Amino acid sequence: KNQVEQSPQSLIILEGKNCTLQCNYTVSPFSNLRWYKQDTGRGPVSLTIMTFSENTKSNGRYTATLDADTKQSSLHITASQLSDSASYICVVRQTGANNLFFGTGTRLTVIP
Amino acid sequence: GAVVSQHPSWVICKSGTSVKIECRSLDFQATTMFWYRQFPKQSLMLMATSNEGSKATYEQGVEKDKFLINHASLTLSTLTVTSAHPEDSSFYICSARDRSGQGGSPLHFGNGTRLTVT
Repeated sequence: KNQVEQSPQSLIILEGKNCTLQCNYTVSPFSNLRWYKQDTGRGPVSLTIMTFSENTKSNGRYTATLDADTKQSSLHITASQLSDSASYICVVRQTGANNLFFGTGTRLTVIP
Repeated sequence: GAVVSQHPSWVICKSGTSVKIECRSLDFQATTMFWYRQFPKQSLMLMATSNEGSKATYEQGVEKDKFLINHASLTLSTLTVTSAHPEDSSFYICSARDRSGQGGSPLHFGNGTRLTVT
């Protein structure tokens, strides 16, 4: 069964601290994996995309990793800011189809 | 960057009435648009895939007669919630993929519509 699981479900950190969000998937065949940021009451916005051959990709303070062998991805946020408070959603796409599988998200709260 | 406009951003309606939500791709053509529903503190649930010029494909468990989807042009898809009931209250989000993009192109999401049925 194709699934995407994220952990933790929620996280509270102090401003300026780093954090790492996890995404495990069983989607096959694998095409790519995206991390999205969704602010409350807004639509998701793409942060990074990882394909099979990519291990690490950065976008500013966001760094995503992918281990295609273990089917795990992480999103590392450096020097967190209050504006990082949002839900972070991992989305995995299946090869050859428009099938997307959404994780349940991690709700991050950054406090001053 | 690519923008998807969703309207209205919020709507309150009485039980039994119908509500139409619009999703427009502003600077690209989208042959395929997707409609999602999101409950509080949960992730997006795909409701249907809307293809320009053809009938929408609905996910299992989604009533096509209740959630009418029309994708009349390459830049506009609409979702009509017919005979809305309080249990239809939710956050509805659309997304679109640039027709010129390949599998690696991202989905561009609208900002969602908060529907409250009283």
